[in-house]
Amino acid sequence: AQSVTQLDSQVPVFEEAPVELRCNYSSSVSVYLFWYVQYPNQGLQLLLKYLSGSTLVKGINGFEAEFNKSQTSFHLRKPSVHISDTAEYFCAVSVTNSGYALNFGKGTSLLVTP
Amino acid sequence: EAQVTQNPRYLITVTGKKLTVTCSQNMNHEYMSWYRQDPGLGLRQIYYSMNVEVTDKGDVPEGYKVSRKEKRNFPLILESPSPNQTSLYFCASSPVGTSYYGYTFGSGTRLTVV
Repeated sequence: AQSVTQLDSQVPVFEEAPVELRCNYSSSVSVYLFWYVQYPNQGLQLLLKYLSGSTLVKGINGFEAEFNKSQTSFHLRKPSVHISDTAEYFCAVSVTNSGYALNFGKGTSLLVTP
Repeated sequence: EAQVTQNPRYLITVTGKKLTVTCSQNMNHEYMSWYRQDPGLGLRQIYYSMNVEVTDKGDVPEGYKVSRKEKRNFPLILESPSPNQTSLYFCASSPVGTSYYGYTFGSGTRLTVV
């Protein structure tokens, strides 16, 4: 079965600095990969997804992620963060022929300070 | 507006008192699912439903029941809640096919069992 590891539980960063949130997955078959964001007291919102094709995926709010098949990684990046990016970020994986199941990582808490 | 609606948003109850958390989606999605979110554990799937009258267990189904009598509704039932079911609960839905589309999440229900 596929699984997801988010390597950092918390990432503190100053406003306007770049950030990378790391995600590794394990699967022996083709996968779809997702990043979700959860703002305080809200549900999860899809940031971006990798299905196939270009390994660099652009999402909402200036985020992007790169799929690296050899390293089984899908790291999320933003060149310059804002205070409003403070949130919990979840990486998720689905096997392409699994039907519907999404397996989530344990989340990374991004804290942006002035 | 396309959305998944959960009610209530907050609930405090006592051990053993049956409760139901409702979930409704207006996107004609076939697939619906319940997750619980706990600190340090991420999101864990409780139950899912691939269509009307078709439900199956997720990773942590003990102590929960679900039903899918209509396509739009997927209530979560706790027949005898216990304190270890204190958690943040999310309902999610997705169109038919595969996980290609990702999920649409509700805003969450914060349940406290005392």
